[in-house]
Amino acid sequence: KAGVTQTPRYLIKTRGQQVTLSCSPISGHRSVSWYQQTPGQGLQFLFEYFSETQRNKGNFPGRFSGRQFSNSRSEMNVSTLELGDSALYLCASSLGEGSGANVLTFGAGSRLTVL
Amino acid sequence: AQSVSQHNHHVILSEAASLELGCNYSYGGTVNLFWYVQYPGQHLQLLLKYFSGDPLVKGIKGFEAEFIKSKFSFNLRKPSVQWSHTAEYFCAVNTGFQKLVFGTGTRLLVSP
Repeated sequence: KAGVTQTPRYLIKTRGQQVTLSCSPISGHRSVSWYQQTPGQGLQFLFEYFSETQRNKGNFPGRFSGRQFSNSRSEMNVSTLELGDSALYLCASSLGEGSGANVLTFGAGSRLTVL
Repeated sequence: AQSVSQHNHHVILSEAASLELGCNYSYGGTVNLFWYVQYPGQHLQLLLKYFSGDPLVKGIKGFEAEFIKSKFSFNLRKPSVQWSHTAEYFCAVNTGFQKLVFGTGTRLLVSP
């Protein structure tokens, strides 16, 4: 079955702009999580959605937001971009409940460069 | 807050050498433990996981890990590595709601 699909794969923005990243989970997965990966901070949890509800949120400023649609697809948005937002943004999906709830499958990521 | 420590940031091995990557976590309750691998240019892939039961878990590609509760450790092992195992390895702990806390990663370079 198809894996986790993230779009776009690469993008370049300038400071002050905003960006929207998209994630399509594995079919049947109802949970989508987002992570930021940078050389300095490593992999950091942004937020997790299940059935259109945010269940958990990491320690990121309010400029980082997300949502999930009824088909489980998710988007994350970063407003007023800063240079430090340059990173690989990873989406992961899971069943979200039951025995497979904590087994995450990651997408290839969206690499954001802020100039 | 939960944290995960991976003591070796860079490891260089020759082919056929044995591998052991250390991972310690700080959390006193029930945890789920994971090792993920990121090959150059590829996405994170699950190597193995521990939820409960036998503390010695086997994963894909001949990797295994041992959960030692008293030491809060979950070390990854492989008896013999190959050049194709060159990658970055991440230990992670989950304490609820699909929030994984990752270690800083260990870059493994296997020289042919």
